[in-house]
Amino acid sequence: AQKVTQAQTEISVVEKEDVTLDCVYETRDTTYYLFWYKQPPSGELVFLIRRNSFDEQNEISGRYSWNFQKSTSSFNFTITASQVVDSAVYFCALEGAQKLVFGQGTRLTINP
Amino acid sequence: DTEVTQTPKHLVMGMTNKKSLKCEQHMGHRAMYWYKQKAKKPPELMFVYSYEKLSINESVPSRFSPECPNSSLLNLHLHALQPEDSALYLCASSQYRVSNQPQHFGDGTRLSIL
Repeated sequence: AQKVTQAQTEISVVEKEDVTLDCVYETRDTTYYLFWYKQPPSGELVFLIRRNSFDEQNEISGRYSWNFQKSTSSFNFTITASQVVDSAVYFCALEGAQKLVFGQGTRLTINP
Repeated sequence: DTEVTQTPKHLVMGMTNKKSLKCEQHMGHRAMYWYKQKAKKPPELMFVYSYEKLSINESVPSRFSPECPNSSLLNLHLHALQPEDSALYLCASSQYRVSNQPQHFGDGTRLSIL
């Protein structure tokens, strides 16, 4: 069975701090895809990144970076120099059986 | 602006009413999805359409009836809903219904059942 665990329910930091959101997954598939989505208060889930199981390169996009480690089944997300606009709920998700399996989400609050 | 448009944004209905949620995308995507999201919970998959045919129904009660009239449009017909059906209903689309395709979500419809 597919499972995604986001152990951090809520995180609160002060603006400009770096923050890392953890994601641990379980799957028996050898080929799978991992995703991160952001959900601001407006409700829409915004796609941030997709990573396939054969690509363990870390990725950086502006202030966002992702660390994929197959050995520990983790796909962590770091925001550098956080901003108030980063406040949202962040979901890690695993594609399994052609369905997205979401973690419980981490509510991130960036305080000015 | 989201490329998946959902209407209405908010809906309040009684348990005996019939209403419909609408979702539209013009990205040429051939897979469309309905999700239900309760407060402080992740989205839960309800239905998947692939090439306008229903391919997944996650054992959703029959008071929810999906419809895909064409490749750009997805409806969710509601009838005799219960208070526990109050939630955010999200529509999503992806190029195809395969694992590596990211899903693009709309803003959702916030549904309240009186």
